[in-house]
Parts: sequence; C-alpha cells; structure tokens
Amino acid sequence: DAKTTQPPSMDCAEGRAANLPCNHSTISGNEYVYWYRQIHSQGPQYIIHGLKNNETNEMASLIITEDRKSSTLILPHATLRDTAVYYCIVRQSPKINTGTASKLTFGTGTRLQVTL
Amino acid sequence: KAGVTQTPRYLIKTRGQQVTLSCSPISGHRSVSWYQQTPGQGLQFLFEYFSETQRNKGNFPGRFSGRQFSNSRSEMNVSTLELGDSALYLCASSPRTGGLYTEAFFGQGTRLTVV
Repeated sequence: DAKTTQPPSMDCAEGRAANLPCNHSTISGNEYVYWYRQIHSQGPQYIIHGLKNNETNEMASLIITEDRKSSTLILPHATLRDTAVYYCIVRQSPKINTGTASKLTFGTGTRLQVTL
Repeated sequence: KAGVTQTPRYLIKTRGQQVTLSCSPISGHRSVSWYQQTPGQGLQFLFEYFSETQRNKGNFPGRFSGRQFSNSRSEMNVSTLELGDSALYLCASSPRTGGLYTEAFFGQGTRLTVV
C-alpha cells in the first residue's frame, strides 16, 4: 500500500471548514484513498473514501487532485465533537479477491483541534 | 443495528499469563480484523478472519493468535504476556462478500494492561 504524509496537527475554529491535507504521491491506479478518524479512547470511525472523483457524504467531502497524488478531507462546519486524530489511508481496490485487501495501514494522522 | 462489541473493555494481567479477547461483529458481517494500538507504534494490523479462516496476518510474534467461529464472532489470544503487550486492542468488522470489501467498522476496543 502507498505511504501517506499528513501534518501532525491542525487547529480550526468551530463553525469553520476544516481542510485536512494528505499527500500520497506514490499511489497506484488501483488504490483508493480512505479517511478514518479516532476520537480519544474510541475505535476509529470510517468517514469517506474515493478513487479519483470527488466524493461527498453526510460527514465530509473528499477532494482528490487530478494526478491523485494528494487529497483533502473537508469538514464543512467543524464542531467541538470533530476534535480527533484523522487518518488518511491508501489501500488496494476493495474488489481485489486477495487476503491483503482488508488490511488498513494507519500512519500517525493529523490531530485536529476544534476550538471555540 | 448493533455495532461491533468487544469484551471485556478493560483487563489487567500479569506478565507470563495469557489472555483472550472477544469480538462480536455487526450482524451480517463476515470479516473480522484485529489491530493493536500503542503510543509508540500507533495502530498496527494483527490479522483478519473470514469464514473461520485466517486470511491475512500482520508482523506479530506467534504468541498472538486468533480464531473465528461459525457465527463470525472472533477471539484473539495472547500467550506469555509481556509488558510491551499493554495496548488498546481493536476489532473491526467488514461486510466482505466474494472478495469485495467496503469500509471497516471498529469496536470500542479492549484496553489491556500487563503488570
């Protein structure tokens, strides 16, 4: 799986958009970008994933550059409850019928602090 | 729909003992993965089970083992506990069918302390 690079920490004011960048310059054609977050002392929570098109769900938007070497997770209106460590993960296509597709390789993530 | 359930939530064991942790996946999910989280190493993949068979294994010693039952519930076992095994152990289930994976849903974890 391709390696990802994220800033160690970011701050965001409550109500503002939080834009979390991720660099994955060695991503290959069949690899997806996944985002998870982990609120203190809880298990990681799935947020969103994408291949090359921008994606949006009820939690966030994912913007992937055209060359797919980087992406940005956008929380449109951050709240205090969004304070967490956000992990950007690149992994093989979920359609590959091998034993390795299930493995998530977590990096160190970005610690997002949302403040009043 | 109930989430992933891990028991116990907290556990204290002595060096040299063994421990068994339990994970009940979301109903209908057949894939269960285990992860270890420590302050020093972060989140690391232990192994994955699907249809009662281990499908993938991380880089952990043989003291770490697991199994999956016919109802998809899974257990992991750590034998001859070491101080370094103190960690949060997380279980995740996925609705994998026919090789198609989607997102993984994590439980709250079991916090193991080895003294």
